[in-house]
Amino acid sequence: EVLLVESGGDLVQPGGSLRLSCAASGFTFNSYKMNWVRQAPGKGLEWVSFISSSGNSKYYADSVRGRFIISRDNAKNSLFLQRNSLRGEDTAVYYCVTEGGSGYYPDWGQGTLVTVSS
Amino acid sequence: DIQMTQSPSTLSASVGDRVTITCRASQTISSWLAWYQQKPGKAPKLLIYDASSLESGVPSRFSGSGSGTEFTLTISSLQPDDVATYYCQEYNNYYSFGQGTKLEIK
Repeated sequence: EVLLVESGGDLVQPGGSLRLSCAASGFTFNSYKMNWVRQAPGKGLEWVSFISSSGNSKYYADSVRGRFIISRDNAKNSLFLQRNSLRGEDTAVYYCVTEGGSGYYPDWGQGTLVTVSS
Repeated sequence: DIQMTQSPSTLSASVGDRVTITCRASQTISSWLAWYQQKPGKAPKLLIYDASSLESGVPSRFSGSGSGTEFTLTISSLQPDDVATYYCQEYNNYYSFGQGTKLEIK
């Protein structure tokens, strides 16, 4: 069974930084592309970032490019999202998701809440 | 960027009804479209991928159709457990989600 467990969510001040982690198990992590998707309170889903299975290719949404960095450690079956220069609009539940086939998301973690507020 | 527009935003139907949700893309995305179901406080769940392929374990009352710019998600006979918000997602060019359709029972 695929299991994705996010951690690192917290209350952080505007301008601050935070690193999210996702521990993966139940599948061959180093064979899968991975993504982060977020959802602001009461709002819809927003794709944040993509990383290839090797970690060599990375893409970002315009709203976070230059502030967020996605990375992975295939030896430790872990995905990360380093978030800098945080803004109020970054307040959201952040989901770690696998990417299947051509780009859809078969597996989701339970999410971790990040609140950006003074 | 590709914009995904769902309609309606809210839908109220009776148990047993046939329900249809529409998703339109601002430019052609071939069949690179998925549908997700999200219940309150839970992570989204994949229902349909590649526009019409049913994810393993998803009830057969769910179906998807369409290609190009217009797509539909159909629930053939609405059940109480189907109360949720439904999202479409394109993956032709990066990834974009629709704004969601909230489905309620009358």
